[in-house]
Amino acid sequence: NAGVTQTPKFQVLKTGQSMTLQCAQDMNHNSMYWYRQDPGMGLRLIYYSASEGTTDKGEVPNGYNVSRLNKREFSLRLESAAPSQTSVYFCASSALTRSTYNEQFFGPGTRLTVL
Amino acid sequence: DQQVKQNSPSLSVQEGRISILNCDYTNSMFDYFLWYKKYPAEGPTFLISISSIKDKNEDGRFTVFLNKSAKHLSLHIVPSQPGDSAVYFCAASAYPRIDSGGGADGLTFGKGTHLIIQP
Repeated sequence: NAGVTQTPKFQVLKTGQSMTLQCAQDMNHNSMYWYRQDPGMGLRLIYYSASEGTTDKGEVPNGYNVSRLNKREFSLRLESAAPSQTSVYFCASSALTRSTYNEQFFGPGTRLTVL
Repeated sequence: DQQVKQNSPSLSVQEGRISILNCDYTNSMFDYFLWYKKYPAEGPTFLISISSIKDKNEDGRFTVFLNKSAKHLSLHIVPSQPGDSAVYFCAASAYPRIDSGGGADGLTFGKGTHLIIQP
């Protein structure tokens, strides 16, 4: 049981390049999330998928797109990377039950640098 | 405008003593609150949560108190141990729409408090 996995762990891009961050969970959770964390800041929600087949914008969605590929996988795409997107990206999932409510489980993060 | 505020960037506590981490929120729609612990180069780990129908929740050495009228919550760690040294994030959300079949919204996080436990 790996929990939430993210690939890659590190990535360096040049301005204008595109890439997709991958996330998968093996806990059969319905809801999945993408956050970014900048130095001295808390985590900020980029996009989320409350259930398979739905996606919604979070606090900072500009410059990103997401795909909920199936119940297990939720990817985040940067179409044209900018230096302002240099950050650590975390994927999370939650079961949404009466005992766990909105307790979210996080992956180890992807550290992205855009030059 | 920050909806979840942790006004202490860092806190130093002696091993064995009580650590108290504070959090304030401004959004009245929040009715579910969580604390996460984060070590460097790792993802946040869930610690404890509380819903707005309660004013206290306890789990081992960790207790969370909620004062809804003051829009304030705190995390107490007793006794503090060296392994507790980490960044602690307070997070909030509206209550998940379990009965309606809706999903859970994302969490709104504070900026974190770096807790240092000194021997």
